[in-house]
Amino acid sequence: DAMVIQNPRYQVTQFGKPVTLSCSQTLNHNVMYWYQQKSSQAPKLLFHYYDKDFNNEADTPDNFQSRRPNTSFCFLDIRSPGLGDAAMYLCATSSVGSATDTQYFGPGTRLTVL
Amino acid sequence: GQNIDQPTEMTATEGAIVQINCTYQTSGFNGLFWYQQHAGEAPTFLSYNVLDGLEEKGRFSSFLSRSKGYSYLLLKELQMKDSASYLCAVRDSGGYQKVTFGIGTKLQVIP
Repeated sequence: DAMVIQNPRYQVTQFGKPVTLSCSQTLNHNVMYWYQQKSSQAPKLLFHYYDKDFNNEADTPDNFQSRRPNTSFCFLDIRSPGLGDAAMYLCATSSVGSATDTQYFGPGTRLTVL
Repeated sequence: GQNIDQPTEMTATEGAIVQINCTYQTSGFNGLFWYQQHAGEAPTFLSYNVLDGLEEKGRFSSFLSRSKGYSYLLLKELQMKDSASYLCAVRDSGGYQKVTFGIGTKLQVIP
C-alpha cells in the first residue's frame, strides 16, 4: 500500500546531541512537510518542500534543518536538541494540484531529549 | 494568517450524535479539513469542504459556511473507538496553499 513512513518511531537523544529523523513516501507526492506537535497542541509547521524548493516558516528555529535528496525521502536534522524540542515530529505529504490536496501523515517520531 | 477556534474538550454517550464546531478567521481561504487523531498517533484525514454545504461520509458529516467562517463535524452513532481529538484545519488561498491546524477538540465517548 502507498504510504508515508517515518523512522524511527521513538528517538531518545541527549541534550545538545544532533539527531536526524527520516521520512519516506511511496505516494509520489510533490510536497513534503515537517510538523512539530507538543502535547495537547496543534501540529506546528516547521518547513516544507515543494519539489526541490525549500520553504522555511518564519518562526522555525535555526536549530532545525531539512534535506530532501529525492522525491521519496525527506530528513529533519536537529543540530543541538534542547529540552523544549521534545515532541512528536510528523511528516506529511500532499499532491498540490490534485482535487483536495489532502495531507497524508506518517505515524510520527516521538523525540525524547534527556 | 489563520486563526482557528474549536472547543478543547467534549463528552458524549455511545450511540449518540455529537457536533464539533470550528470557527476561523482567514486572510484567504481555499478549503477546510477535518482530521481525527488518536492519542500518540498521527492525524488521519476525515473530510474536506471547499464549497458551502454538507458533505456526508458514512457516520461522519462535515458542514461549511464560508460567509460565517464556520464549520462543524457531525459524528453519528458514536462508538467507543471515536474517542480521539478532532482537528479542524484551514488552507490558505495564496502561493503554495499552507494548511493551518486548530488545537483540536478532545472527544470522550462514554458508555
